[in-house]
Amino acid sequence: DTGVSQDPRHKITKRGQNVTFRCDPISEHNRLYWYRQTLGQGPEFLTYFQNEAQLEKSRLLSDRFSAERPKGSFSTLEIQRTEQGDSAMYLCASSRAETQYFGPGTRLLVL
Amino acid sequence: SQQGEEDPQALSIQEGENATMNCSYKTSINNLQWYRQNSGRGLVHLILIRSNEREKHSGRLRVTLDTSKKSSSLLITASRAADTASYFCAPSVAGGFKTIFGAGTRLFVKA
Repeated sequence: DTGVSQDPRHKITKRGQNVTFRCDPISEHNRLYWYRQTLGQGPEFLTYFQNEAQLEKSRLLSDRFSAERPKGSFSTLEIQRTEQGDSAMYLCASSRAETQYFGPGTRLLVL
Repeated sequence: SQQGEEDPQALSIQEGENATMNCSYKTSINNLQWYRQNSGRGLVHLILIRSNEREKHSGRLRVTLDTSKKSSSLLITASRAADTASYFCAPSVAGGFKTIFGAGTRLFVKA
């Protein structure tokens, strides 16, 4: 399978805990994106990378969120001190040009 | 913001009928893409139309773009039950790779 993969697919955590998600993009894709999606809404842009450089980060993203792509390949998204409002589907996508290819997402539930 | 806003929010049709979804956006764009999301396959890219194009076809899909009205439409001909999904438009500004999705149109095709 050469598509975008995300791990884990599901995560249940207690409020206040930290969580980390991983995204493996399609090889040779230099751009990687993170989105958050809640029920009934479209994906909400969080941040994106070109190679290892984080080029843009949503103003909606609080300081509790951080993303890295240290070697320009896989990326991690960490949420510190989770809140119930962080419960959502976290989507990763990668691209070489305009078209983005999405992974299956990580569904987070914060209790 | 280059957010696309889809209309209608929901659409229910019989199998075999055509489905038309509209998208409006606010700023000048370089291209506009349409994506589909269903529970089985996640978010999938359908078609991209560039700002210098007025119409594009892909199988049963036809996309139009009117940059003077800042609008686009997606037509699905001879719909099938498998077309049941949420459809999102995603406009991108020139030189930008950030994609801002709207809330989508939920299409339900009855067999």
